[in-house]
Amino acid sequence: AQKVTQAQTEISVVEKEDVTLDCVYETRDTTYYLFWYKQPPSGELVFLIRRNSFDEQNEISGRYSWNFQKSTSSFNFTITASQVVDSAVYFCALTETSGSRLTFGEGTQLTVNP
Amino acid sequence: DGGITQSPKYLFRKEGQNVTLSCEQNLNHDAMYWYRQDPGQGLRLIYYSQIVNDFQKGDIAEGYSVSREKKESFPLTVTSAQKNPTAFYLCASSFGTGAYEQYFGPGTRLTVT
Repeated sequence: AQKVTQAQTEISVVEKEDVTLDCVYETRDTTYYLFWYKQPPSGELVFLIRRNSFDEQNEISGRYSWNFQKSTSSFNFTITASQVVDSAVYFCALTETSGSRLTFGEGTQLTVNP
Repeated sequence: DGGITQSPKYLFRKEGQNVTLSCEQNLNHDAMYWYRQDPGQGLRLIYYSQIVNDFQKGDIAEGYSVSREKKESFPLTVTSAQKNPTAFYLCASSFGTGAYEQYFGPGTRLTVT
């Protein structure tokens, strides 16, 4: 069975601080995909990134970066120079290639204060 | 504009009534999904469909029913058998299952009193 753990329930930072959201996963498959989604107060989940298990290169997109480490089964998400608009719930998710659905973590509520 | 629409945004019902939540997509996606989200919690899968006229139960299917008669549409009925129906319901779609990212609709907040 697959599982995703986001141990940080809530994080509060001041604008311009860097913040890292942790994600640890469990799976028996050697081939799988990891995702991050953002859920702003409006409620709709927004897709941020997908990573396959064979690609451990870190990814950077503007102020967002992702650190994938198979050795520790982690896929952490860092926001550099946070902004108030980054305030949202962030979900990490996992799917096995052979599977048909996503397993979500419990989410991390990020609050960026001005 | 391509996307997923869910209507209505807010829905109120009396206990004992069935209610149907709408989900439509024009992304030409084969797979569609229904999730339930309770306050402060993650998403739990109710039902999913990989192709027209076919669907499978997710983790919390009891008290819910779905149909997939058209590729674009995947309505969810919350029946009176669902013990705690008040929740936020999210519909999603993807090109296929497995490796594909899912795209989500704006959600429907259902309140049953």
